[in-house]
Order: sequence, then structure tokens, then C-alpha cells
Amino acid sequence: KAGVTQTPRYLIKTRGQQVTLSCSPISGHRSVSWYQQTPGQGLQFLFEYFSETQRNKGNFPGRFSGRQFSNSRSEMNVSTLELGDSALYLCASEEGTQNNEQFFGPGTRLTVL
Amino acid sequence: AQSVTQLDSQVPVFEEAPVELRCNYSSSVSVYLFWYVQYPNQGLQLLLKYLSGSTLVKGINGFEAEFNKSQTSFHLRKPSVHISDTAEYFCAVSGASGTYKYIFGTGTRLKVLA
Repeated sequence: KAGVTQTPRYLIKTRGQQVTLSCSPISGHRSVSWYQQTPGQGLQFLFEYFSETQRNKGNFPGRFSGRQFSNSRSEMNVSTLELGDSALYLCASEEGTQNNEQFFGPGTRLTVL
Repeated sequence: AQSVTQLDSQVPVFEEAPVELRCNYSSSVSVYLFWYVQYPNQGLQLLLKYLSGSTLVKGINGFEAEFNKSQTSFHLRKPSVHISDTAEYFCAVSGASGTYKYIFGTGTRLKVLA
């Protein structure tokens, strides 16, 4: 099976712009989670989507949003970008059962200038 | 509140020496525990996981970890490291039965010296 794919791999934006990141999970996986990784804060959970519904949510402002499509692909959107949003955004997929084993994609490196 | 503590931010070790990376957690509910490795400019790769059963868990690349419920620890060990093990290692905890998603430790950078 193909692994988790994320597009684009690198992105440069300016403050105030918005950005959309995409994640395609492993075939058959119904859950997609998003994480933000920064040197200062480490890995922080953004949200999880399961069967097109947000199932869990971390402590991020409303500028961060997501959605999941019927084919389980997910997008994450960040509006009104701030310098502090510069980070590696990781997507992880799992079957959706209770074992919580997640498979991570390579990430999208977002730089906000 | 749930939390994960990785006490060592960096661990230097000589090649072929043993290594232990420490992880302690706090949780009010039953947990699943994971160790992931991240190589530069890559995502996270699962090394091993504890869901239930035997407290000694063996993973890929010769790594193992032991779940100690009384000490709320899940330390990662390898008897003999290689240069290629140089990477960042993350411990993570999630609530059993989906009570909460992954909480990651701050990571330990393992540097294997020749």
C-alpha cells in the first residue's frame, strides 16, 4: 500500500495570506489527524477527522480549520497567516479502530514571511 | 491533564554502545504508548507500541521498550547503536479507547558518535 502523502512539500507565504494543505491517507484508513511541529513547541495536535467529521480538536485558534472528503482525503486551512505559523505540518492516518496506531506523512514545510 | 516528559533533550553515545532514552507520562485513564523516530526532513516512523499484554515490547531496528505502570514510564533501549540511529526520537501517549489523541514528548536527539 502507498503511504501517507502530503502536498505540497514546501510552501512560502506572506503574513495575512491563507494556505491550504492536502493529505491523502493510506488506502482504507478513515481517520486523518494533523499536527504542527515547531522547534519551540514540539509536536502539537491540531485536529482529527473521521468519516468526514471532526472527532477531536486541539487547542489552536479558529484560523486553523480542516475538512475531510468522502474518499478520506483531508485538507487543512490556515487563514490570516502569522509569522508564528511557520512550521512543519504533519498529517497522520489510521484505520479508525481503537488501537490508535498512526502513520505519518513526510510533512509540509510552511514558511511565513 | 495528560502529559509526556522526555527528560533528555540530547543523548550522545558512541557507536556499538547501549542507549536508553527516557519517557515518563501522566494520565488519568488507561494509555497506549508509542515511540517514533524522525530523520531530518522526514515524517515520523513508528518504532514500537504498547497497547496491552506483555510489558516488554520489541520494535524495528533492534529497539525495545518496557512499560512500567507503577513508575509511569516507557523507556526506549537498544543494546548496540549504529551511526544510522542518529535521529530524533519521540515518545507519545494516547488515551485507550480514543479518550484523547496523541500527546508527544518534546523529543530526544540521539547522536551516535564514531
